Amino acid sequence: KAGVTQTPRYLIKTRGQQVTLSCSPISGHRSVSWYQQTPGQGLQFLFEYFSETQRNKGNFPGRFSGRQFSNSRSEMNVSTLELGDSALYLCASSLGTIAEQYFGPGTRLTVT
Amino acid sequence: AQSVTQLGSHVSVSEGALVLLRCNYSSSVPPYLFWYVQYPNQGLQLLLKYTSAATLVKGINGFEAEFKKSETSFHLTKPSAHMSDAAEYFCAVSELRTGNQFYFGTGTSLTVIP
Repeated sequence: KAGVTQTPRYLIKTRGQQVTLSCSPISGHRSVSWYQQTPGQGLQFLFEYFSETQRNKGNFPGRFSGRQFSNSRSEMNVSTLELGDSALYLCASSLGTIAEQYFGPGTRLTVT
Repeated sequence: AQSVTQLGSHVSVSEGALVLLRCNYSSSVPPYLFWYVQYPNQGLQLLLKYTSAATLVKGINGFEAEFKKSETSFHLTKPSAHMSDAAEYFCAVSELRTGNQFYFGTGTSLTVIP
């Protein structure tokens, strides 16, 4: 079974631009969660989508948004990028609630 | 509110020695607890999970953790460290109410000395 895939793996953007990250969950998984990982703040929950609906949301500004498609693939969008948005963005998929979350390799975003 | 505290951001052990990584949690209701491992430039891999069944949980690669409600702890142990265990370890907590919104600790970097 293929694991969680994230594209692109590396991304360099300029302040003020916007970016879209993609996540393909494990086949059959309907829940997709997104996390931001930085050296200073650690792993922070962004949001979770389940069956195309946002089910949980962390404490991030509205510049961070996401969506999920009918095939469970998910995208995360960050608008008006700031230097502090530089981070590893991790996507995780799971079968249901409180089930194991399987993480992808992440997308390393650098904002210059 | 849920939170996780991992005592010791860096732990060094000799190869073959006991590994003990500490995790204390805060939760107002019975928690679900997880340990993940992260190797450089990779995502997180689940080591083990506690979901209110047996308090001693066995995971992959010889790791295990014991849920102690009275101490609000979920420490990770491995009897004998191997060089390949060198990585970053994260403890996470969740509750049924918040579902897949995991709260992670700040991580413990494990170094194994040959």
